[in-house]
Amino acid sequence: RKEVEQDPGPFNVPEGATVAFNCTYSNSASQSFFWYRQDCRKEPKLLMSVYSSGNEDGRFTAQLNRASQYISLLIRDSKLSDSATYLCVVNPLHGSGNTGKLIFGQGTTLQVKP
Amino acid sequence: DARVTQTPRHKVTEMGQEVTMRCQPILGHNTVFWYRQTMMQGLELLAYFRNRAPLDDSGMPKDRFSAEMPDATLATLKIQPSEPRDSAVYFCASGFDSVQSRPQHFGDGTRLSIL
Repeated sequence: RKEVEQDPGPFNVPEGATVAFNCTYSNSASQSFFWYRQDCRKEPKLLMSVYSSGNEDGRFTAQLNRASQYISLLIRDSKLSDSATYLCVVNPLHGSGNTGKLIFGQGTTLQVKP
Repeated sequence: DARVTQTPRHKVTEMGQEVTMRCQPILGHNTVFWYRQTMMQGLELLAYFRNRAPLDDSGMPKDRFSAEMPDATLATLKIQPSEPRDSAVYFCASGFDSVQSRPQHFGDGTRLSIL
């Protein structure tokens, strides 16, 4: 079983739609959580961190459920420019403490159409 | 904005040749990571360093891959001999060992094709 699992999609939605991505992780001691965005043929870039209480950044809302080891990303009023692959990312805690290591999910592809 | 710099951006070579990829991390970052990305496997962590010391290279095929950090401004990933299955995009990223609110920054990647 992969440490971080995501539905690869693709999700094809019209402009203005609301879309949600889900992710599960296996290491219950994981410390920090993020969503990264990767455009075609580009490097991954941080979209937002995910906090226990949930957090919002404009049209983007991230939620974390530690008990279920589940992370979500909600995009409201989707734009053409939101088309990309969204990577769920977890910072696991291992025996040597926090090393900054990140584990990436396979990514969920979103295509927003006019 | 400070950036992670990777060279070369593209590399095409024949199987059996040595390939060296270089990375200049962001000044002040104390961790450096090497990733490989393919369509099938996604983003895989190959090796990483903290304060220039190798911490984990369990994701890397030891017989042909090697990663080093000769100084704080340079990390290298070598493949010798290269094989067609090594064709992928190789990313370097740098960051801090305490990632909360200070996540990794990626370079543009090296697109490697082994013929």
